[in-house]
Amino acid sequence: DAGITQSPRHKVTETGTPVTLRCHQTENHRYMYWYRQDPGHGLRLIHYSYGVKDTDKGEVSDGYSVSRSKTEDFLLTLESATSSQTSVYFCAIYGTGGVYEQYFGPGTRLTVT
Amino acid sequence: AQSVTQLGSHVSVSEGALVLLRCNYSSSVPPYLFWYVQYPNQGLQLLLKYTTGATLVKGINGFEAEFKKSETSFHLTKPSAHMSDAAEYFCAVTSGTYKYIFGTGTRLKVLA
Repeated sequence: DAGITQSPRHKVTETGTPVTLRCHQTENHRYMYWYRQDPGHGLRLIHYSYGVKDTDKGEVSDGYSVSRSKTEDFLLTLESATSSQTSVYFCAIYGTGGVYEQYFGPGTRLTVT
Repeated sequence: AQSVTQLGSHVSVSEGALVLLRCNYSSSVPPYLFWYVQYPNQGLQLLLKYTTGATLVKGINGFEAEFKKSETSFHLTKPSAHMSDAAEYFCAVTSGTYKYIFGTGTRLKVLA
């Protein structure tokens, strides 16, 4: 168990509303990631963080922002949710248990109606 | 730039038959390669990894994969499929940095 939790696990929201997803780790790891998983696309990187207040964009960052004010928490915000952001969102950390491995949280299923 | 291609979005095998899931990669630097498994409604779990050294790597649940540089492949195999192997499998590559590239996944179905 890599000590990663995500909240909420499920959420239904309406188009145009802001949504924040939380990832919490107990491993004190520097790198944290947000991915989205969609059928036929695998996992695509949204944003990642390489330290407190240090973040950068991934390949599908439009419409998303992130923040990391503490090592253990990495927040993903959809400023104004759209139906195209309906997806399963996974948080991951880097390096637990060995060289170069990423470990994943249980995921958040977000539905935008 | 790095990329990963998984051939076959769906694979069906009979219980007890060989499992072969294909992964080809592209990388301009020596790659580190991974296979992850995802069971329904769960996150991804690491099955096995290749970083350096022995090109045949063994993972959990009887799976193994062989790194073939000449073929730019890292195919996942298991000699005898079990019903519990039904899941989605993802191949991933990194150059040793913090950024990973994932394949689009292969859903394995095991027939009784």
